[in-house]
Amino acid sequence: DIVMTQTPLSLSVTPGQPASISCKSSQSLLHSNGKTYLHWFLQKSGQSPQLLIYEVSSRFSGVPDRFSGSGSGTDFTLKISRVEAEDVGVYYCMQGIQSQTFGQGTRVEFK
Amino acid sequence: EVQLVESGGDLVQPGGSLRLSCVASGFAFNKYWVTWLRQAPGKGLEWVANINGDGSDTRYVDSVKGRFTISRDNAKNSFYLQMSSLRGEDTAVYYCARDEGWGRLGYWGQGALVIVSS
Repeated sequence: DIVMTQTPLSLSVTPGQPASISCKSSQSLLHSNGKTYLHWFLQKSGQSPQLLIYEVSSRFSGVPDRFSGSGSGTDFTLKISRVEAEDVGVYYCMQGIQSQTFGQGTRVEFK
Repeated sequence: EVQLVESGGDLVQPGGSLRLSCVASGFAFNKYWVTWLRQAPGKGLEWVANINGDGSDTRYVDSVKGRFTISRDNAKNSFYLQMSSLRGEDTAVYYCARDEGWGRLGYWGQGALVIVSS
């Protein structure tokens, strides 16, 4: 099974400042078709998770451009250029190349 | 508008059974894989099972194999999770989701709470 490891597990941010979350997989997420199946989700308090980024760096419909994803192989990063109040919640990375497994989650809150 | 609405969550005794339902609308249901996931209280997300568009291919996380069955009825735009031999560790909010492909879970239901307790 592919294990997903996120760091940090908790992040205290200042509104308007950038934030970054790392995600590492135990195996490469690069498929033979050339695509990499690493996705990012945000779960706000009391809500269902929502897709932010798919296939490493593509923003899902309606996701603000302050969110960006990067990485390759086994190392990935989610960046928020300027954190806003509505960005608070738990962020999960997830691999979709071999069944689906999630990282432990990173809780983002304001200082 | 794509919508997924779960139902069937309940309190059930250990060893008991329960069926969750998810009704979809706003898209060509039979064209998509659909997925069940869960989240135990205060814990992270776990993929549980998924099924392809015509129901011919199903997959499960190891911890539920032989106990849970995913199915779908394309005529009713619905899919299901039949859970049996339930255990305390199955207590969770269960979410249904539409898979755009390779785990791209673009649309989720609101969740259904299943509590396994005597």
